[in-house]
Amino acid sequence: GENVEQHPSTLSVQEGDSAVIKCTYSDSASNYFPWYKQELGKRPQLIIDIRSNVGEKKDQRIAVTLNKTAKHFSLHITETQPEDSAVYFCAASKGTSYGKLTFGQGTILTVHP
Amino acid sequence: DARVTQTPRHKVTEMGQEVTMRCQPILGHNTVFWYRQTMMQGLELLAYFRNRAPLDDSGMPKDRFSAEMPDATLATLKIQPSEPRDSAVYFCASGSGQGTDTQYFGPGTRLTVL
Repeated sequence: GENVEQHPSTLSVQEGDSAVIKCTYSDSASNYFPWYKQELGKRPQLIIDIRSNVGEKKDQRIAVTLNKTAKHFSLHITETQPEDSAVYFCAASKGTSYGKLTFGQGTILTVHP
Repeated sequence: DARVTQTPRHKVTEMGQEVTMRCQPILGHNTVFWYRQTMMQGLELLAYFRNRAPLDDSGMPKDRFSAEMPDATLATLKIQPSEPRDSAVYFCASGSGQGTDTQYFGPGTRLTVL
């Protein structure tokens, strides 16, 4: 089955800096890659996603890049703010799995004012 | 703004008791997922359903856990008997069932088994 590895497990940055979280996946058939943000005590919420026919997607301060050949994708957050502090999860799924997601282990991002 | 709902939000029980958690998926979604989240294990998929039929429950301890969808608006996860190691946050999520579509999470049930 699919395996998703996520790095780093913790990331600490100063406000205004950029943050990058990387994930690799094992199943070349995977074609959907969402990122979820989970604040303390809250539900995971989708912040951005990318499909395999696209190499990069951007939404304001966040962007995701996908390298299908290398089977890795990354989340980029620019101009970080304290409210970006949360746990971020990457995930992967494929069209035959009815939306079943395989999640990475999560990255705890801390943005220091 | 359609959302997945879960009840109860918090549950404290004693070891050996039965626990039932409920989930109402977003109207029109035909795929429902149950996850367990602990600090050590992250998000574990326990089971998922499509059109109320179980597709995969391999992540669930079969001897004590059971998951059902009595109808399209209700999914249940039961633990009987509960054990302290079951203490975790249990999330339900729903989706349209398309492989490249978004999954939406409920607020979770925080379970503590004493």
